[in-house]
Amino acid sequence: QKEVEQDPGPLSVPEGAIVSLNCTYSNSAFQYFMWYRQYSRKGPELLMYTYSSGNKEDGRFTAQVDKSSKYISLFIRDSQPSDSATYLCAMKSCGNTPLVFGKGTRLSVIA
Amino acid sequence: EPEVTQTPSHQVTQMGQEVILRCVPISNHLYFYWYRQILGQKVEFLVSFYNNEISEKSEIFDDQFSVERPDGSNFTLKIRSTKLEDSAMYFCASSRKGTGKGRQPQHFGDGTRLSIL
Repeated sequence: QKEVEQDPGPLSVPEGAIVSLNCTYSNSAFQYFMWYRQYSRKGPELLMYTYSSGNKEDGRFTAQVDKSSKYISLFIRDSQPSDSATYLCAMKSCGNTPLVFGKGTRLSVIA
Repeated sequence: EPEVTQTPSHQVTQMGQEVILRCVPISNHLYFYWYRQILGQKVEFLVSFYNNEISEKSEIFDDQFSVERPDGSNFTLKIRSTKLEDSAMYFCASSRKGTGKGRQPQHFGDGTRLSIL
């Protein structure tokens, strides 16, 4: 079983749609959960950062973590063409431990 | 907003040659990392560095790899004798030291695309 699984897509939605992106994981030691956005030929850009279970909202973005199900989600409301990118989930356990990434989901928002 | 900067953006090297990738982490950050991403694959951890020594390294980070913080601002990754399979995007990341549960997230540079011929 892979440590972090993420559907690579591609996912194509019309402008204004609500987008739901998800990852599952197997390591119960993971405590910190992140979503990064990666544009073509650029580095991962931090979008959301959450600790343990719960929800976090920042503008049009909402991150949810369900540790009991080992499942995390990112919701994008009122999606824009500029949201077209690859979205990477990443997670880590406590301490100075490395990030473990999902494969990324490629999202296209069509105007 | 402060950012991690990496140079060069693209490096082309003959197989067997040494290559040095350079990074300038965010200035008040204390933890430094290298990751790589082979085309079409996941971002993979290589090594973490804190207090002038390696904290953790992956299986990928073998004897051909080394890291150094030669001065107060630069953080380098050296590959001693490059192989074809070293071709990838190499990302540098840095983070602040958090306290308690507030461990700080890692911020990434835009990467160096390494092409081995």
